[in-house]
Amino acid sequence: SYELTQPPSVSVSPGQTARITCSADALPKQYAYWYQQKAGQAPVLVIYKDSERPSGIPERFSGSSSGTTVTLTISGVQAEDEADYYCQSPDSSSSYWVFGGGTKLTVL
Amino acid sequence: EVQLVESGGGLVQPGGSLRLSCKPSGFTFSNSQMNWVRQAAGKGLEWISYISHSGGAIFYADSVRGRFTISRDNTQNSLFLQMDSLRAEDTAIYYCAATTVPGKGFDYWGQGTLVTVSS
Repeated sequence: SYELTQPPSVSVSPGQTARITCSADALPKQYAYWYQQKAGQAPVLVIYKDSERPSGIPERFSGSSSGTTVTLTISGVQAEDEADYYCQSPDSSSSYWVFGGGTKLTVL
Repeated sequence: EVQLVESGGGLVQPGGSLRLSCKPSGFTFSNSQMNWVRQAAGKGLEWISYISHSGGAIFYADSVRGRFTISRDNTQNSLFLQMDSLRAEDTAIYYCAATTVPGKGFDYWGQGTLVTVSS
């Protein structure tokens, strides 16, 4: 089955840059999406099609892709960015969606 | 303002059934692809089902195929998930999620409804 691999946790100090990776063999052929989920809340889309940012999402959130890895970058991390982050991508046949296991971002 | 409101969750015994509903507002439901995603306590997100804007294309995760049925009523602006033969491992918060612009991912989510399968 298709799997997206994320690190379980990332920690940064306020003002630093956080990078969260997501890896899978099919990523060069499929777009990736990123969601932020704060404690007790529903997920929120923060990046779509690898690097596009929805309206209302701060510019400090950006996405990039290189080979089999996509990366969510949060520049100038703020305390409010502490959350779980999930990558998502369709499988190669585009008949189902897969989420990565999630990465807990801790702002020290 | 975009809203998706799920309902129908609750406590059910193993082997039982539940029907979840999702009522959207603030966007054109009939033009939107819809999904159900669940999250067990302390666990990650799991996509479980997709339905195209017309209902002509439907997909399921292996974990629910044959037991769950997704449907929609565009005249009533509603999305449904019929869940049969429920198991303890189906216990989770169930979210409906919309793709209002093709290719934009799940751009709107409801707040979720809790399903607990236990005797």
